Amino acid sequence: EIVLTQSPGTLSLSPGERTTLSCRASQSVISSYFAWYQQKPGQAPRLLIYAASRRAPGIPDRFSGSGSGTDFSLTISRLEPEDFAMYYCQQYGSSLYSFGQGTKLEI
Amino acid sequence: QMQLQESGPGLVKPSETLSLTCTVSGGSISSSDYFWGWIRQPPGKGLEWIGHIFYSGSTYSNPSLKSRVTISVDTSENHFSLKLSSVTAADTAVYYCARTYNSHPYYFDSWGQGTLVTVSS
Repeated sequence: EIVLTQSPGTLSLSPGERTTLSCRASQSVISSYFAWYQQKPGQAPRLLIYAASRRAPGIPDRFSGSGSGTDFSLTISRLEPEDFAMYYCQQYGSSLYSFGQGTKLEI
Repeated sequence: QMQLQESGPGLVKPSETLSLTCTVSGGSISSSDYFWGWIRQPPGKGLEWIGHIFYSGSTYSNPSLKSRVTISVDTSENHFSLKLSSVTAADTAVYYCARTYNSHPYYFDSWGQGTLVTVSS
C-alpha cells in the first residue's frame, strides 16, 4: 500500500497570501492517479484537482496542482476566506486508494 | 446532476453488522460509466477508502477491511449498499458514498453528504 504523507499538518495564514501544500508518496505514483480534495467542517470532501494538475469543474483558477513521482503539491495563489479548510491528497494504484492525513489551513 | 444520499442506522452495537444504503438520483446506477464507492472518516481523523462496486456486481475492497465488508448493488432501486460485520468502536465514523469513473477510476468526483455511524452498546 502506498502511504501518503502531507506537510505541514497545519498552516496559519491570512487572506491574500499564497501557499503551497505538499504530499509525499512512499512509492512512485502515476500522475494521472493523483488528486486533491478540500473539506470544510461538516461537509463531504470536494474534488479540487485530478490527474495531479487538472482542476475539477467549477474550481477557481487560484488553485493549481503540480508534481510527479513521489512529490506533489497544491498551490493556492491568493487565499480567499472560503479557502480555509482541510486539504487531502489521494492516490490510486493496484485497484486501491489511499489518502494523506490532511493539512489544515487556518486563518 | 447526479446526487448521492446515504441512509441507515446511526447507532450500531458492538459485534453487530453496520448496514448503509446510498441512493443515486439524477442518473442511473446501471450506467457503465461509473463505479460506486464507500469511504469513511472517523471523528477528527482522515479519510479511508472502504471499497467500490460496478453495476454488474464487480467489487474491490480495502484489504484491511475486506474480510468484514460486503458491497452490493440493486439496480431496480437505483442504490448500492455497504455491510460491515463484527463492528467495534473503531468503526465509528462518518460514512460517505461517492462516484468514480469506470474509464478512469482514479478519483471521486461526486460525494454524498455523509452519515455518522456510532458503534456503542
